[in-house]
Formats: sequence, structure tokens, C-alpha cells
Amino acid sequence: SAVISQKPSRDICQRGTSLTIQCQVDSQVTMMFWYRQQPGQSLTLIATANQGSEATYESGFVIDKFPISRPNLTFSTLTVSNMSPEDSSIYLCSVITGGWGTEAFFGQGTRLTVV
Amino acid sequence: DQQVKQNSPSLSVQEGRISILNCDYTNSMFDYFLWYKKYPAEGPTFLISISSIKDKNEDGRFTVFLNKSAKHLSLHIVPSQPGDSAVYFCAASAGSARQLTFGSGTQLTVLP
Repeated sequence: SAVISQKPSRDICQRGTSLTIQCQVDSQVTMMFWYRQQPGQSLTLIATANQGSEATYESGFVIDKFPISRPNLTFSTLTVSNMSPEDSSIYLCSVITGGWGTEAFFGQGTRLTVV
Repeated sequence: DQQVKQNSPSLSVQEGRISILNCDYTNSMFDYFLWYKKYPAEGPTFLISISSIKDKNEDGRFTVFLNKSAKHLSLHIVPSQPGDSAVYFCAASAGSARQLTFGSGTQLTVLP
């Protein structure tokens, strides 16, 4: 298992600004993912952030908007840049600690409101 | 294109009865399926999973059934308890990629 701490847990931001979300894991993990849950929607994968390589972004998400850092095996950040109200969502960090057939663990999420 | 679908946005059941949550998928490459429970203001919590080589997996009150030919899986909760009231997400992954594709979720309400 893994214990994941996300900061901040929530924030209200002005449009045009940027917010950096931190994800700290209590053990070293290779595979880390960032998801978004828009209001009333499902969870959508933003990017895969494996240590030692560039993050891999899903269709519809770009590095300029959602830059990701992965400096070591226990930490990652996601920045939401030049925010607009459409970015209001819950952002979730997730890790997988085992091989195939093991579950993903999630942080508690960061609830972002852009005004 | 929604690859994982949960067609029932909500479900209400009486305490002690069975809850059945359904999920359909379209991607035949999916080989690992999971159910998560989510309370408001919390991240998803893993419940139970099943690999594509099985058709049933049981863990206490929770049983997941997989019908590969129909590309359908279901989660059975017996007996249902008020504490089970939450949003339930079905998720799937394919091979070594490991990232999850989620359904839209079903809000389960267990009435005392």
C-alpha cells in the first residue's frame, strides 16, 4: 500500500494565475499519475509521471498548461497554469506500488476553484 | 468515446439487501478491472479487482463478476450497509500501461 499526501487540499484562485499541487508518497514508487475530476464528471487521466523521464500527457492535455515535475521517487508536482474557470476541478495524484494486477492508490485530492 | 460506461448514475437500496452496480466496456484490450469507492472530499479508495482470466472475485461482502463476451462487469454488495453510501467507480487498464480509464460513477444510497 501507499500513503499519499496532497497539498493544498483546496484553493480558490484568480483567473490567469497558476497553482502548484504537491504529491508526497510515503514510499518510493516508479509509476505516478495525475487525474482530474471535473464537477459531476468521472476521473480523467492528465499525464503519467515516471521518475527519470518526461511526463507523458493524454490527448487534450499539454505540458504548457499542466507542467509536471518528478524530481525523485517519492514526490511530484502538477502546476495548473494561466487558470480559467474551466479548470475548476478536483486534481488527484495516484501511484501504483506493485506489478501487474495491483491496484492504484489515490491522494485525497486538491479541490480547485477558479474565480 | 467512452471506453468504460456506468449507465446508472444513482441506485438506492434498503439496508441488508443486495446492491448491484453495473459497468460496461468497449476496449477489448482491457485486462484488469477495478472498483473504487469515493466519499466527498476524499480520494477514491480501492475496493476489489478482477483480472480478465477470471470471471468472479470475492472479498467479504463484495463480489465482482466479469463477463468478457458481453464486456460487462458488476459489483455485488451483500448485505448493503448505510456506510456503503458513496460514489462507486468502475475502472479498467490494459497491459503494462497501468493507467486507469474510469466510468462515470454510480451514487449508491443505502437506506436504513
